[in-house]
Amino acid sequence: KAGVTQTPRYLIKTRGQQVTLSCSPISGHRSVSWYQQTPGQGLQFLFEYFSETQRNKGNFPGRFSGRQFSNSRSEMNVSTLELGDSALYLCASRAGTGAGEETQYFGPGTRLLVL
Amino acid sequence: AQTVTQSQPEMSVQEAETVTLSCTYDTSESDYYLFWYKQPPSRQMILVIRQEAYKQQNATENRFSVNFQKAAKSFSLKISDSQLGDAAMYFCAYRSGLQGGSEKLVFGKGTKLTVNP
Repeated sequence: KAGVTQTPRYLIKTRGQQVTLSCSPISGHRSVSWYQQTPGQGLQFLFEYFSETQRNKGNFPGRFSGRQFSNSRSEMNVSTLELGDSALYLCASRAGTGAGEETQYFGPGTRLLVL
Repeated sequence: AQTVTQSQPEMSVQEAETVTLSCTYDTSESDYYLFWYKQPPSRQMILVIRQEAYKQQNATENRFSVNFQKAAKSFSLKISDSQLGDAAMYFCAYRSGLQGGSEKLVFGKGTKLTVNP
């Protein structure tokens, strides 16, 4: 099976712009989670989706939003970009069968640089 | 809220030797899962090992093993026979085991492991 894929891998934007990142989970996986990784704050949870529904959201401003499609692919959007949004954005998928603990598999990430 | 603490920002080990990475966590829950993830310079986060809190037996995966001390809320990772490919950032992570609870992982700040030839 192909792993989790994220596009684009690298992105440069300027302050005030908006950006959309995409994540394709492992085939058959229904749950997708997003994380932001920065040197200062480390890895922080953004949100998780399961069967097109947002199940949980981290402590991020409303500029950060996401959605999941019927094929389980997910997108996250950041509007009105700020310099502090520069980070590696990681997507993780899991099967979501509910059969006990399931491993989250991570994608390679999208490196966003805001100038 | 749960927290995960990795007190060693950096560690180094000689090739073929053993190294232990420390992790402590804080939670009021009794059912949870603990993980060690590895993130090499390529940035792909890879699961190294996981431990279910209800299991007393420490998890092992080849050269990787954990020392899980539930009462002390400690979860250390031991890497035996270290290899150059083990060089990476290692993250300890916590996930609630509550039924219907969040799947979010709470990560520590990470430990950068260097393996010297």
